[in-house]
Amino acid sequence: DSGVTQTPKHLITATGQRVTLRCSPRSGDLSVYWYQQSLDQGLQFLIQYYNGEERAKGNILERFSAQQFPDLHSELNLSSLELGDSALYFCASSVDVGGSETQYFGPGTRLLVL
Amino acid sequence: AQKITQTQPGMFVQEKEAVTLDCTYDTSDPSYGLFWYKQPSSGEMIFLIYQGSYDQQNATEGRYSLNFQKARKSANLVISASQLGDSAMYFCAMREGGSEKLVFGKGTKLTVNP
Repeated sequence: DSGVTQTPKHLITATGQRVTLRCSPRSGDLSVYWYQQSLDQGLQFLIQYYNGEERAKGNILERFSAQQFPDLHSELNLSSLELGDSALYFCASSVDVGGSETQYFGPGTRLLVL
Repeated sequence: AQKITQTQPGMFVQEKEAVTLDCTYDTSDPSYGLFWYKQPSSGEMIFLIYQGSYDQQNATEGRYSLNFQKARKSANLVISASQLGDSAMYFCAMREGGSEKLVFGKGTKLTVNP
């Protein structure tokens, strides 16, 4: 158990809908990362927050957004969902940023868009 | 261009034997970190081992060791005394000095046979 929690574990929804994925980082970790794992794209970095502020952005679609709250938990919002958004979404956290900081991953949220 | 290359889609090993999973990387940044993660069939991503570009010695963590050859840009994972529970996908990842994101390879599926 990495100490990172994600809810829900599974999510089934329809095209065009909006969902919110939730992540609680390990106690004391200030940095939260979101990754998407799909069969065709592999594991891809989406976005990072550090202590409430957006710090880095990757291949995140405009239909997707995220935020980190004062209690450091983070939410990833996915809207106007398409079939291709079906994937495993991971949240990871680290104490600080850069260098040798290890990112510890949560169990993931498996999203299926029908 | 691929930053992380894992050339072995699948590997088989007998229980109690050692196995090496290959990883080559591409970067011009002198400062970078290399990570290995394990993903069992249940889906979670488990951190195994880290190697920094300036580390003089190869990293070791229990049965895991990293064969780091900087000039060849390779960071192969060695698992000693394989166990049935080692059967999983293994991902090599890199973080370059100026970046927060992890870039992952496509992974190697390891199967440990009894």
